[in-house]
Amino acid sequence: RKEVEQDPGPFNVPEGATVAFNCTYSNSASQSFFWYRQDCRKEPKLLMSVYSSGNEDGRFTAQLNRASQYISLLIRDSKLSDSATYLCVVPPTSGTYKYIFGTGTRLKVLA
Amino acid sequence: NAGVTQTPKFQVLKTGQSMTLQCAQDMNHEYMSWYRQDPGMGLRLIHYSVGAGITDQGEVPNGYNVSRSTTEDFPLRLLSAAPSQTSVYFCASTPGASQPQHFGDGTRLSIL
Repeated sequence: RKEVEQDPGPFNVPEGATVAFNCTYSNSASQSFFWYRQDCRKEPKLLMSVYSSGNEDGRFTAQLNRASQYISLLIRDSKLSDSATYLCVVPPTSGTYKYIFGTGTRLKVLA
Repeated sequence: NAGVTQTPKFQVLKTGQSMTLQCAQDMNHEYMSWYRQDPGMGLRLIHYSVGAGITDQGEVPNGYNVSRSTTEDFPLRLLSAAPSQTSVYFCASTPGASQPQHFGDGTRLSIL
């Protein structure tokens, strides 16, 4: 099993739709997680941090399911500007310095 | 607040040339990293530093050197450029190993 797995997509959704992505992780010791968005070949930018069961920021909601070892990102009322690649990132656990990056899920919001 | 600054933004090299990619951060972060990103692949760690004077290898260190003489700067040196090093390079910093990383806007490097 890969350390972090994401569906590469693309997810093509109309403006205003609700869309959700999942990210599965293999290390049960992981305590926190990050969602980044990355526009085409630009730098990743932090979208949300998830430290407990979940987090909400406006139209974006992240949820953590420790039993099944996955994190989800829900985007409500999609905007054209939400079109990007969304990266799931697992920070290092104790004694290591390796951030585990998913390969990302591409979202295209269509007019 | 500039955050993480990378220079140059674009560079074309010939095989065998050497060069240094610059990275500077003004957030007083202890941890800094260099990644490369190739099409269809995730970010891969080249080298990292947990403080001034301390560096270590990531998963793809061959062909690259780093040093960390100050908290602010973490340059990446390509010793003898090869076409396989054509990539987008990102520098990142974080205040702690479990905290989110802040990325520079990248250096797009082509080796001919």
